[in-house]
Amino acid sequence: DTGVSQNPRHKITKRGQNVTFRCDPISEHNRLYWYRQTLGQGPEFLTYFQNEAQLEKSRLLSDRFSAERPKGSFSTLEIQRTEQGDSAMYLCASSLPTGGASNEQFFGPGTRLTVL
Amino acid sequence: TQLLEQSPQFLSIQEGENLTVYCNSSSVFSSLQWYRQEPGEGPVLLVTVVTGGEVKKLKRLTFQFGDARKDSSLHITAAQPGDTGLYLCAGWSDYKLSFGAGTTVTVRA
Repeated sequence: DTGVSQNPRHKITKRGQNVTFRCDPISEHNRLYWYRQTLGQGPEFLTYFQNEAQLEKSRLLSDRFSAERPKGSFSTLEIQRTEQGDSAMYLCASSLPTGGASNEQFFGPGTRLTVL
Repeated sequence: TQLLEQSPQFLSIQEGENLTVYCNSSSVFSSLQWYRQEPGEGPVLLVTVVTGGEVKKLKRLTFQFGDARKDSSLHITAAQPGDTGLYLCAGWSDYKLSFGAGTTVTVRA
């Protein structure tokens, strides 16, 4: 296993189109996170899964955004009716569960979305 | 709005110089992490600090967590061009990480 992978790496779309991104986490990691990062900013939390259950969604995740992790392995993030403001890097991360104060999240390379 | 404020936003130094990056918040975090991100890649974890007042050293990098667990600093000694990148601090609260906006460090050869 070479780490978290994301596809596609780049996506250019026209405003109003739907897009879907995929994230394949490290195989034994049961937690999966989605973040959005715009230029000059750090990643912002969007949502996270423990196995197939989506446990939390940020208010940044409007009703045009939906994320799934149907079998507790890979995850998809879909954006419907894209807007220019959706242009950003979408990062996926995975981790093992932890009982301590922190854990390490392993990030994928991201999908860069450009909405024209 | 980022919960964590990082300063400076940009830092350009000559190879061999030292640098310090700061991360401040009004919130208390159970732990704080520092990541480094290169263009076109995801962030990579450098260190996790958990205890107030904790100091961790990784080769030329020294990380400090404030006594009140609200702030942290990253100091790089004798910077090298390979240290160039975006340095992000992130605080753990409940189940998620909150990131700062990052400091872009450029080390000129």
